[in-house]
Amino acid sequence: GAVVSQHPSWVICKSGTSVKIECRSLDFQATTMFWYRQFPKQSLMLMATSNEGSKATYEQGVEKDKFLINHASLTLSTLTVTSAHPEDSSFYICSARSGEGGGNEQFFGPGTRLTVL
Amino acid sequence: AQSVSQHNHHVILSEAASLELGCNYSYGGTVNLFWYVQYPGQHLQLLLKYFSGDPLVKGIKGFEAEFIKSKFSFNLRKPSVQWSDTAEYFCAVTRRDDKIIFGKGTRLHILP
Repeated sequence: GAVVSQHPSWVICKSGTSVKIECRSLDFQATTMFWYRQFPKQSLMLMATSNEGSKATYEQGVEKDKFLINHASLTLSTLTVTSAHPEDSSFYICSARSGEGGGNEQFFGPGTRLTVL
Repeated sequence: AQSVSQHNHHVILSEAASLELGCNYSYGGTVNLFWYVQYPGQHLQLLLKYFSGDPLVKGIKGFEAEFIKSKFSFNLRKPSVQWSDTAEYFCAVTRRDDKIIFGKGTRLHILP
């Protein structure tokens, strides 16, 4: 199956700093990438949908100025948590969908655990 | 608004028991349906998917699911579970080119 990687796998930062998380599709071109947030023992909450070369579409309640998403190429999307605070601590997961006959299946990355002190 | 309901939040079974996890969705029209599994400490993996055709879908590791359109259901089944099936299972639904909506997940614990 298609492989999606995330970097870093975990990060600890001080309150007020910004953190960038990368999501890469390793063996296919992803026209659309999705960013999710997963709280402990809860389901994945979609944060935003990102299409290559265009602005991301954010879900209701997600601050676009706080969670900056860039999808500059068909294999890379980045999520930057700006001025992070302890309540931003969570597990962030990306997924990627191929636009070439891949149907509607999404391939998930392993996730990035963010801890804000 | 579209939603996905998973009836069981936590299921505990003994090895060799049969499994059925319920999933219902509220979404009119054509849908694509998925079951994902998340093993402890690992990322989400696709178990099986339904796009069209035979409503009984076979997945990996002996899992299957049946799409019943009239009931808006897509229940996951396995005739005989193993200890290694301990994981969290998520049902998901999407319409073509639309975002995926996940259920809240069912935590499955298999007793050895």
